[in-house]
Order: sequence, then structure tokens, then C-alpha cells
Amino acid sequence: DSGVTQTPKHLITATGQRVTLRCSPRSGDLSVYWYQQSLDQGLQFLIQYYNGEERAKGNILERFSAQQFPDLHSELNLSSLELGDSALYFCASSEGDRGLAPLHFGNGTRLTVT
Amino acid sequence: GQNIDQPTEMTATEGAIVQINCTYQTSGFNGLFWYQQHAGEAPTFLSYNVLDGLEEKGRFSSFLSRSKGYSYLLLKELQMKDSASYLCAKNTDKLIFGTGTRLQVFP
Repeated sequence: DSGVTQTPKHLITATGQRVTLRCSPRSGDLSVYWYQQSLDQGLQFLIQYYNGEERAKGNILERFSAQQFPDLHSELNLSSLELGDSALYFCASSEGDRGLAPLHFGNGTRLTVT
Repeated sequence: GQNIDQPTEMTATEGAIVQINCTYQTSGFNGLFWYQQHAGEAPTFLSYNVLDGLEEKGRFSSFLSRSKGYSYLLLKELQMKDSASYLCAKNTDKLIFGTGTRLQVFP
């Protein structure tokens, strides 16, 4: 158990809808990262937050947004969903903000858009 | 760019040794991670190399050559449970993953 909690585990929704994925980092970790993994694809970096502030951005679509709250949990919002958004969404956390410490991954949220 | 290249698939026999290579563009490099990921599960941390050389951790070892933009993960005494994807990740100001190498271990 990595100590990172993601909810829900599975999400099935229709095109055009909006969903929110939630992540609670490991105790003591200030950084939260979001990654997208499509079928047979690598982990695509979306965005990183450190202690409530956005720290780094990857290829995150404008339809996607995220935030980290004062209690350090994070939410990833996906709107105007398309079939291609179906993927595993992983949250990871680490101690610092420079990626020098290993990332600890949650078990992911499997999103299916129909 | 951040191009990270790994072989897509490899196969090996139980008890054997396998080496998984990873090459990357050296710009902005801070270190290199290796993760293991079983299908449908979360990636788990294996190793982190910052300096050149070999880091050994039980049956797994990882090597780094910063000047060559090259790393490898060495798995010894392969077990069936080692069948998984192995992800190489370059640390810049963010952690960028390669597409992974799917390793199948046969009896």
C-alpha cells in the first residue's frame, strides 16, 4: 500500500459530461502529480501541485483542470468528455517539489467514456 | 525534447538475467527512475540513479551513464512474478516516463 488514495476506482460516464477525480496524498507529502495512461500507452504527465500551488504542467488539455486544497488533497476535473479520454488516471505524491524523491502512486481511477 | 526510448517488449526464461535499456535526451537531466508496473496496477518504485555507475538492490540493479544519456535495469534470477512493464522515467523539472518495456517471463 503506497498510502496514496484515489477515488473512485471506476467511473463510467457519457460523452459531454464532467467528472471529478479525487486524490489524497501520502501523509507528509506536499507534492501531488496527475498522470493519464491510455491503453497500451505510457504514463502521460498532466500536472503537478506543491503545497497548494501549481508547480509544473504537462500536456494537459484545456478541458481538464486540477487543484490542490489546503489539506493537500487534490482533485482533477475533466469536462466535455470525449471517447478518447477513456484511460487510467493516476495520482502520485512525493515529499518535495523537485522530483528528487520517488513518486508513490495511487491505484488509479479507471474512466470509461461511452 | 524529452524523448525516452525503451524496447517495447522482451521475453526471458525463469532463472535467467535480462537487461532493459533506456536512452534519453540529456538536456535538463536531474536523475533517472525505474518503476515496475503490473497490468492495471499502480507503478511501484524500483530505483533512482543520479550519478554514473551501478546501483544494486537485491535481484535488481540499475546503471546510469549521464554523458551517453543511457541507463539500464538488470534483473537477475528472474521469477514469474517479474512479468510486468518496466518504466524508465527522466527527472527534469517534472518526471517524464517512457512508454515502458513489457517483460514476459516464461517457465
